[in-house]
Amino acid sequence: GAVVSQHPSRVICKSGTSVKIECRSLDFQATTMFWYRQFPKQSLMLMATSNEGSKATYEQGVEKDKFLINHASLTLSTLTVTSAHPEDSSFYICSGGLEANEQFFGPGTRLTVL
Amino acid sequence: AQSVTQPDIHITVSEGASLELRCNYSYGATPYLFWYVQSPGQGLQLLLKYFSGDTLVQGIKGFEAEFKRSQSSFNLRKPSVHWSDAAEYFCAVVPGGSYIPTFGRGTSLIVHP
Repeated sequence: GAVVSQHPSRVICKSGTSVKIECRSLDFQATTMFWYRQFPKQSLMLMATSNEGSKATYEQGVEKDKFLINHASLTLSTLTVTSAHPEDSSFYICSGGLEANEQFFGPGTRLTVL
Repeated sequence: AQSVTQPDIHITVSEGASLELRCNYSYGATPYLFWYVQSPGQGLQLLLKYFSGDTLVQGIKGFEAEFKRSQSSFNLRKPSVHWSDAAEYFCAVVPGGSYIPTFGRGTSLIVHP
């Protein structure tokens, strides 16, 4: 299957700083990627749909100014958590797909905000 | 409303025993169906998927799932569980014409030696 990578795998930052998470499709081109957030012992919640060359589409309740998404190329999407606070601590997962109805998931990024 | 239900939050089985994880969905038409496994601190790995055709689907690691239209179910099964199968399992559904999966809340599998 297709491979999606994420970097970094873990990040610890101070409150008020910004953190960038990269999501790359290694062996395919993804015009669309998805960003999810997962709280401990819970399911994945879709945050936004990242579209190459255009603005991301955010799910209801997700602050677009706080979670900046950039999809500059067909293999790279980035999520920047701006002015991070402890409540932003979570596991962030991205996905991309070859087909419209099948997604391949990255290994996730554990964000801890002190 | 459209939904995906995994009724069991936790399931505990002994190593070597059989396993069935339940998944029910509520959609107007037959969606695309997936099962994923997630180990602690890891991303999701696809176990198997159903798009159409044979309703019994074989996946990796000895897992299989059966789509039952009449019951709107897609239950995951394994005849003999190994200790390494302990993980979180997610059922996901993609409605026809969409590409955004909706996930169930997950079932945590605990395997006793």
